[in-house]
Amino acid sequence: EAGVAQSPRYKIIEKRQSVAFWCNPISGHATLYWYQQILGQGPKLLIQFQNNGVVDDSQLPKDRFSAERLKGVDSTLKIQPAKLEDSAVYLCASSFTQIAGETDTQYFGPGTRLTVL
Amino acid sequence: KNQVEQSPQSLIILEGKNCTLQCNYTVSPFSNLRWYKQDTGRGPVSLTIMTFSENTKSNGRYTATLDADTKQSSLHITASQLSDSASYICVVSDRNQGGKLIFGQGTELSVKP
Repeated sequence: EAGVAQSPRYKIIEKRQSVAFWCNPISGHATLYWYQQILGQGPKLLIQFQNNGVVDDSQLPKDRFSAERLKGVDSTLKIQPAKLEDSAVYLCASSFTQIAGETDTQYFGPGTRLTVL
Repeated sequence: KNQVEQSPQSLIILEGKNCTLQCNYTVSPFSNLRWYKQDTGRGPVSLTIMTFSENTKSNGRYTATLDADTKQSSLHITASQLSDSASYICVVSDRNQGGKLIFGQGTELSVKP
């Protein structure tokens, strides 16, 4: 089966510019996650969708980050305006479902490496 | 303080040797504990998953152990190969937060010929 697709793979922008990332999860996966992974650290959850509804966005910097999953399939993550500290790899993951107290295996995409100059 | 701490931060071993990576966690109660392998420039891939009642789980040359009493897990790699060079991430599912995954910072393993 096809894996999680992300684009672009790399992006270089200057601070205060805007950027958008796209993710297409595995077909049939209801849950979609966006993670931020800073070099040398583990991934940090930014936002979790269940179909097209937000389950957890507690760590999303809402003053500059936004995400949507309008039709419950693919998703976009936007940063506006970008800061130097936003330089990281942005990973998208999907899972079949998430039941409280249990977690299906998350399948990760290759990530988008963002460099903010 | 991180809820999932891994050691060592990095490790270099020779091809064919064995190694053990450590994970200490404070997440409690937890649903499951996973080990992920992340190759450079790729997303993490699940290696093993253990519930709180399991002590060990194997996947080929990878064997994970879990001691829920001491809140420790280890990942043992047998007869290492060059392709094992990657970051290994310990992940604990927090039952109090609906199964939210808590990631460790990873151990960077380098296997040299």
